[in-house]
Amino acid sequence: QVQLVQSGAEVKKPGASVKVSCKASGYTFTGYYMHWVRQAPGQGLEWMGRINPNSGGTNYAQKFQGRVTMTRDTSISTAYMELSRLRSDDTAVYYCARLRGVFYYYMDVWGKGTTVTVSS
Amino acid sequence: EIVLTQSPGTLSLSPGERATLSCRASQSVSSSYLAWYQQKPGQAPRLLIYGASSRATGIPDRFSGSGSGTDFTLTISRLEPEDFAVYYCQQYGSSPLVTFGGGTKVEIK
Repeated sequence: QVQLVQSGAEVKKPGASVKVSCKASGYTFTGYYMHWVRQAPGQGLEWMGRINPNSGGTNYAQKFQGRVTMTRDTSISTAYMELSRLRSDDTAVYYCARLRGVFYYYMDVWGKGTTVTVSS
Repeated sequence: EIVLTQSPGTLSLSPGERATLSCRASQSVSSSYLAWYQQKPGQAPRLLIYGASSRATGIPDRFSGSGSGTDFTLTISRLEPEDFAVYYCQQYGSSPLVTFGGGTKVEIK
């Protein structure tokens, strides 16, 4: 079945970087954009950016420009999201989500999330 | 920049009642690019509605979506115990590329 499996929880110190992985299975990885969304504790959903797994092209939310890097490894059908210069307010659950879109555009498959805790 | 405003913030209802959730956009949004998600505590969001009114696979027909332009609505005709959750609307395609509403929590009265 179609699924996205994310890497495990991380604890980082302020100023460090974190790299979260998202392994896709059950579909053609290069056929769908992958998006990253985060959710701080008790808060709503926040879009971070997307990657085209086919070309490697990326688009980032302005808020994260300069701090986020999204990459992929097509040989293992895995997308990555790296966030640098971590701050305490980066503590959140980070989700990857597949974008389904031709005429309609929506995120139809989500990973279970990776909890990133930033604490000194 | 498109902003999606969901109301009410919290909806307190009893099982069997009808729930009406609103999502208002600061600029016109294509209906094709408007989706709704359900999220339960400790879980990832789940797609409910895409294209403003099309139910995703496996979603019961008590869930329906409607609207166009700047005003969209998610309706749950008769609340089941498993429907108490947080609901988000989301738009795709305008700057920023993806925006989520702040969410509506449907809680048991």
